[in-house]
Amino acid sequence: ILNVEQSPQSLHVQEGDSTNFTCSFPSSNFYALHWYRWETAKSPEALFVMTLNGDEKKKGRISATLNTKEGYSYLYIKGSQPEDSATYLCAFIGLPTGANNLFFGTGTRLTVIP
Amino acid sequence: GAGVSQSPRYKVAKRGQDVALRCDPISGHVSLFWYQQALGQGPEFLTYFQNEAQLDKSGLPSDRFFAERPEGSVSTLKIQRTQQEDSAVYLCASSPPGFLGTDTQYFGPGTRLTVL
Repeated sequence: ILNVEQSPQSLHVQEGDSTNFTCSFPSSNFYALHWYRWETAKSPEALFVMTLNGDEKKKGRISATLNTKEGYSYLYIKGSQPEDSATYLCAFIGLPTGANNLFFGTGTRLTVIP
Repeated sequence: GAGVSQSPRYKVAKRGQDVALRCDPISGHVSLFWYQQALGQGPEFLTYFQNEAQLDKSGLPSDRFFAERPEGSVSTLKIQRTQQEDSAVYLCASSPPGFLGTDTQYFGPGTRLTVL
């Protein structure tokens, strides 16, 4: 059983604040890391797929970094807005890879207070 | 375009009842996945199809769980003799041909199953 951990479990920030949270995963046999955003009553939405150590990806005010050697990824949100309120999930894929088996963390639940 | 859809969105079952959960993937997507998310947990892999072939069912928790995708499009997850521990959100995801771990999985909104 793979151990994918996310911290913090939940987070409240004021509108306009920047924030970040962490996904930790096994550093051995890394293949890819996925980030998803899941708003209540909606479908999880893909944010990033990251594969290379040192990779940094950006989508609007959201960015993510990846350190495969130490087994962590950070997700950053700049200038949080109420519409950013959601649960952010990371999911790890390790080698040997089948075409399946995303191993998810338990998520970070973000609430942005207007 | 149309995304992944799931039905019903909510299902309440009495313990011992059989349930069937439906997933309509994005048209043309070869790969289809089912996940189970228990309260307070992250989604956990149940099973994987490539077209109509079920290539991995290692995550199905018991032989009461059965999934099929007979024509390589719509999939049904069936749970027989439901138990309270089956209460969870069941997520379906699909991805285009050639998912090798780096392609995006597109998720449906899930079916929330409550077993009383």
